[in-house]
Amino acid sequence: GENVEQHPSTLSVQEGDSAVIKCTYSDSASNYFPWYKQELGKGPQLIIDIRSNVGEKKDQRIAVTLNKTAKHFSLHITETQPEDSAVYFCAAFGNNRLAFGKGNQVVVIP
Amino acid sequence: DSGVTQTPKHLITATGQRVTLRCSPRSGDLSVYWYQQSLDQGLQFLIQYYNGEERAKGNILERFSAQQFPDLHSELNLSSLELGDSALYFCASSVGDPMGETQYFGPGTRLLVL
Repeated sequence: GENVEQHPSTLSVQEGDSAVIKCTYSDSASNYFPWYKQELGKGPQLIIDIRSNVGEKKDQRIAVTLNKTAKHFSLHITETQPEDSAVYFCAAFGNNRLAFGKGNQVVVIP
Repeated sequence: DSGVTQTPKHLITATGQRVTLRCSPRSGDLSVYWYQQSLDQGLQFLIQYYNGEERAKGNILERFSAQQFPDLHSELNLSSLELGDSALYFCASSVGDPMGETQYFGPGTRLLVL
């Protein structure tokens, strides 16, 4: 089945700086890659997603890039704010299911 | 608020017991998914139902079962509970059958087995 890995596991950034989280996936047939943000005590919330026919997608301060050849995709958060502090999960849809990475703890230091 | 509701929010029970977790999908969504989230395993897909029928199965134990009812709500039944079953259980829903469809997650049920 699909295997998704996320790096780094924890990321600390100064407020206003950019944060980048990288994920790799194993199944070249995977075609959909969402990113979820999870705050303490809450369920994962979709923040952005990308499909395999697109290389980049942007939504305000958040962008995702996809490299199908290398089988990796990344989340970019610019001008980070304290409310961006959370756990971020990447996922890949393949073999009829969504496989998640283990998550990245992002800490934005005011 | 995703529109997916789950009850109860917290559940404390003893080993060997059986519990039922309930999920109501977003209005109009036909697919329901169940996930288990533990500290060491992350988010693990358990099972998916589409319009009342089982569609995909993940790492679901034989002690666990689920169903989706005609009104599209779903229940996850966990029996012969063990300490290791303590985790967060999330339900998600999507509009149709999953071919890369966006899944919206509920707030989860925190299960503690003592």
